[in-house]
Amino acid sequence: GAGVSQSPSNKVTEKGKDVELRCDPISGHTALYWYRQRLGQGLEFLIYFQGNSAPDKSGLPSDRFSAERTGESVSTLTIQRTQQEDSAVYLCASSFPPLAGEQYFGPGTRLTVT
Amino acid sequence: KQEVTQIPAALSVPEGENLVLNCSFTDSAIYNLQWFRQDPGKGLTSLLLIQSSQREQTSGRLNASLDKSSGRSTLYIAASQPGDSATYLCAVSGGSYIPTFGRGTSLIVHP
Repeated sequence: GAGVSQSPSNKVTEKGKDVELRCDPISGHTALYWYRQRLGQGLEFLIYFQGNSAPDKSGLPSDRFSAERTGESVSTLTIQRTQQEDSAVYLCASSFPPLAGEQYFGPGTRLTVT
Repeated sequence: KQEVTQIPAALSVPEGENLVLNCSFTDSAIYNLQWFRQDPGKGLTSLLLIQSSQREQTSGRLNASLDKSSGRSTLYIAASQPGDSATYLCAVSGGSYIPTFGRGTSLIVHP
């Protein structure tokens, strides 16, 4: 079956523009995570979705960041008014069951803000 | 708050060596521990998942062990190959739905 997919694979944008990143989880995976990985750094948790429950947004770094997920399907991460420090690889992962399940990662979106 | 430490941060070995990567965590109340590899510029690939009730898992040349009481896991790679060169990360899932990741061990296996 298909794994986690993300689009676009690369995105170059000018400072101040908005960007939207997409994640398609594995079918049937109720849990979905977004992470950020800056160059040479570890993974930074951003947001967690579980089914129709309220998302855990505790990792979002500022109100310029938001994410949505419709049911157990596609998720989009939106960054408004991008800044150079937003440049990173944005990774999405899905799992089932939510607590003890194996996490599967997508290939990531490399965002460069110029 | 769970903290995960991976030692060493970097490792360079000749091809054919058996090697051990270490992952330690501070809170032993975990559901599972997962090992990943990450190639440069790529996403994470799951290698092994150990549930809290298990002591070890094996996949090919890889063997991961878990000792919850001491807060440790090891990833053993037998007969290392240049294709094993990557960064290896461990992630611990505990009371929170959010896994805690280590910073990784960067492995280079040279021919």
